[in-house]
Amino acid sequence: GENVEQHPSTLSVQEGDSAVIKCTYSDSASNYFPWYKQELGKRPQLIIDIRSNVGEKKDQRIAVTLNKTAKHFSLHITETQPEDSAVYFCAASRIPTFGRGTSLIVHP
Amino acid sequence: EPEVTQTPSHQVTQMGQEVILRCVPISNHLYFYWYRQILGQKVEFLVSFYNNEISEKSEIFDDQFSVERPDGSNFTLKIRSTKLEDSAMYFCASSEEGQGTEAFFGQGTRLTVV
Repeated sequence: GENVEQHPSTLSVQEGDSAVIKCTYSDSASNYFPWYKQELGKRPQLIIDIRSNVGEKKDQRIAVTLNKTAKHFSLHITETQPEDSAVYFCAASRIPTFGRGTSLIVHP
Repeated sequence: EPEVTQTPSHQVTQMGQEVILRCVPISNHLYFYWYRQILGQKVEFLVSFYNNEISEKSEIFDDQFSVERPDGSNFTLKIRSTKLEDSAMYFCASSEEGQGTEAFFGQGTRLTVV
C-alpha cells in the first residue's frame, strides 16, 4: 500500500511569512495528491489538489508542487495569516492515504 | 451546498459493547469511506465501499468492524466488542468517483469507550 511521510510535524511562522510543508510518497502509481486543512475539532477539508500530469498548481496564496520522479510534493502558503493556523494533511493515491499532519501556527 | 452528515456527533459506550456509527453520504456520490483519527494523530483509512461491497480495507479493519449500506442513503460502521483503544473520531467521507476525486468528509463521530 501507499506510505506517505510528511514534514515538519509543527511549523511556527510569523504573520506574513511563507510556510512550506513537504510530503513524500511510496507508490509510483499514485496520481492524485490532495491537501486537507483541519481546524481544531472540525472535519478535514480540501484546500488544493494536484494530479500527476501537472507539476504545479496555484490558488491565490496557496500552491502545490509535484515532483513525480522524486515522489515528493509540497504545499506553499504565502503571506500567512492567523486564520491559516490549523493542521494540514497531505494525501496520496486514489484512496486518500494521509500523512501525519503538520500543525501550522501563525503568530500575529 | 450538499454535505456528508454523521450521527451521532458523540457516542459514549462501555467496553465490550457494540456501536453503530451512521453516515449519509452526498446523494450522487458512489464511493464511501470510513476513516479513524485518534486524538492528536493522523487520519487513518479504514475501508472503502463501492457498488454495495467493500472495495478496499486497511489492516485496522479486522473482524471487529463491518460496514453496511442498509438503504439508499445510509452508510454505517459497526464496531463490535469495543475496546478502550477504539476511542477516536470516526469520519465518514464520500466521493463522486473513486480515483483522483475529492473526498468530502462528514463532521465526525467522537467515540469514547469507557
